[in-house]
Formats: sequence, structure tokens, C-alpha cells
Amino acid sequence: DVVMTQSPDSLAVSLGERATINCKSSQSVFYSSYNKSYLAWYQQKPGQPPSLIIYWASTRESGVPDRFSGSGSGTDFTLTISSLQAEDVAVYYCQQYYTTPWTFGQGTKVEIK
Amino acid sequence: QVTLRESGPALVKPTQTLTLTCSFSGFSLTTSGMCVSWIRQPPGKALEWLARIDWDDDTYYSTSLKTRLTISKDTSKNQVVLTMTNMDPVDSATYYCTRSYAYAIDYWGQGTRVTVSS
Repeated sequence: DVVMTQSPDSLAVSLGERATINCKSSQSVFYSSYNKSYLAWYQQKPGQPPSLIIYWASTRESGVPDRFSGSGSGTDFTLTISSLQAEDVAVYYCQQYYTTPWTFGQGTKVEIK
Repeated sequence: QVTLRESGPALVKPTQTLTLTCSFSGFSLTTSGMCVSWIRQPPGKALEWLARIDWDDDTYYSTSLKTRLTISKDTSKNQVVLTMTNMDPVDSATYYCTRSYAYAIDYWGQGTRVTVSS
């Protein structure tokens, strides 16, 4: 199985400041034939199911604010929230859909400092 | 619009078999590239992908749980069923039904909470 490891496990950021979450896969999730990394990011607010925010490592889902961005390729990926808002408090998960079984990171909890 | 709704027992006893049904609308599981997965989340813990069924009837399972899981679909009813045998208290979790269409998971059900206890 592809192991997804996120860091940090939690972070506290002041409102308006940048939040950065890292995700590392145990093997490459880049499919050269399609020139895409099969990596997604999800946001889960308390008491809600997760929602997709980034796919193909850097493509924002429709309706997601542009303060959210994804980067990286191969095995190392980053989710950045450029200016943290109160409504961004959540747990964020990365997931690879390159190969089954699909696997998730352990999650990163983002809070307000 | 796409909706998914999970249904099943809220409480099962240890060693029993859990059967969950996902009823969906707004898409067809006969469309090429369409898939439905089940994912679970124990209280306060991370997401765990369990199984997936594709438009062409291919099925995929979690490595650690594959001997206990069966996923099936009824396209005429727009339903996907997951069975998990030999339930244990560690299987207590919220179980989500999800959809993917040629890429990541773009729709999630609200989840159904399952507790395993005698």
C-alpha cells in the first residue's frame, strides 16, 4: 500500500497568516502518461463529511476560495492557505488515488492562534 | 444534483455481519469512469478507505480488510451495498459512501454511525 504521511499533525496560525501542510507518499503518485499527480486534498470541518478542495495535486475544486493552493509532484506535496480565515478551521487530509487501495494521510488539524 | 445517502443499523453485536446500503441520485453507475467507494472514520481518527466498485463491475478492497468485505451494486436501484463480516468494537465508526468520476472523491454522503457492542 502507498503510505501517506502528513506534517505537522496540527498547527495554529494567526488570522490572515499563511498555513502550510505537507504530505509525502511512500512511492510516486505521478502518472507520466497523463502528466498528472494523483493526489487530492480534503477539508473536514467538525461534524461534517470531508469535502474536496484540491485534485491533481494543484487543481482547485469549483467554489473553493483561491487562498487554497496545492503544489508538488511525485512524492512530495503541499497545501497552502495563503491567508487563514476563521472558517478554515478544520482537519485537512491528503489522499492518493494513483493506485488501489486508495490511502489517506493521518490528517492535519488547523486552528487559530 | 448528486446525492448519496447511507443506511444501515446503528448498532451491531460483535461477530455479526454489517450490511450498509448507499442510495444515490444524480449520476449513473453505468457511466464510464464512475465509481462508488466506502470510507470509514472512527471517532476522532483518520479516514480509512474500505472498498470501491466501478461502472464496469470491477471491485477493489482495503488490503487489511479484504477478507471481510464485499461490495456490490444494483444499477437499477441506484444502490451500492457493503457487507463487513465478523464485526468487532474497533470497527465502530462513521461509514461514508462516496463518488468518484475519473479522479478524486468529489461527493460524500453525510455518513452513518455504526457502533459495535454487545
